Amino acid sequence: GAVVSQHPSRVICKSGTSVKIECRSLDFQATTMFWYRQFPKQSLMLMATSNEGSKATYEQGVEKDKFLINHASLTLSTLTVTSAHPEDSSFYICSARGQEFYEQYFGPGTRLTVT
Amino acid sequence: GQQVMQIPQYQHVQEGEDFTTYCNSSTTLSNIQWYKQRPGGHPVFLIQLVKSGEVKKQKRLTFQFGEAKKNSSLHITATQTTDVGTYFCAGSTNDYKLSFGAGTTVTVRA
Repeated sequence: GAVVSQHPSRVICKSGTSVKIECRSLDFQATTMFWYRQFPKQSLMLMATSNEGSKATYEQGVEKDKFLINHASLTLSTLTVTSAHPEDSSFYICSARGQEFYEQYFGPGTRLTVT
Repeated sequence: GQQVMQIPQYQHVQEGEDFTTYCNSSTTLSNIQWYKQRPGGHPVFLIQLVKSGEVKKQKRLTFQFGEAKKNSSLHITATQTTDVGTYFCAGSTNDYKLSFGAGTTVTVRA
């Protein structure tokens, strides 16, 4: 199956700093990448959808200036959490979808803790 | 917006028994997908259903898509300890975005 990597797997940062999370499709071209947030024992909440070379589409209630998404190539998307606060602490998961298939392949996730 | 409801939230099953998890959407779906997330892991794609009334089987797992394409179910027979995890349904309209249900977390007692 298709493989998606995510880096870092865990990050602890201080309040007010910014954190960048990378999502890479390793063996396919990801025409669309998705960023989700998952709270403990809860479902995945879609934050935004990004297509290579175009601006991300954010879901209602997600601040685009706080969660910056860049999908610069067909294998890489980044999520930058700017001016992080403790309430941003969460599990962030990316997924990728190629043009040839409908399912999404998920990265292993990034556990962000803001102190 | 589109909402997908999933019940039950928790399912504690005796090994060898069967169980079913159900999904309902507030809108008609173009397709529904099912994912499994093991504890500490990430969601892994199981299957997609597209056609009205479609039924698909994967060994002990049976997936159904309702006639109105608004509901779906996953039935697992003869539950094993390897079935532990959270099963999510995720509905999609034509824009490829997925709306995830709350998930059914399955635990198995031997």
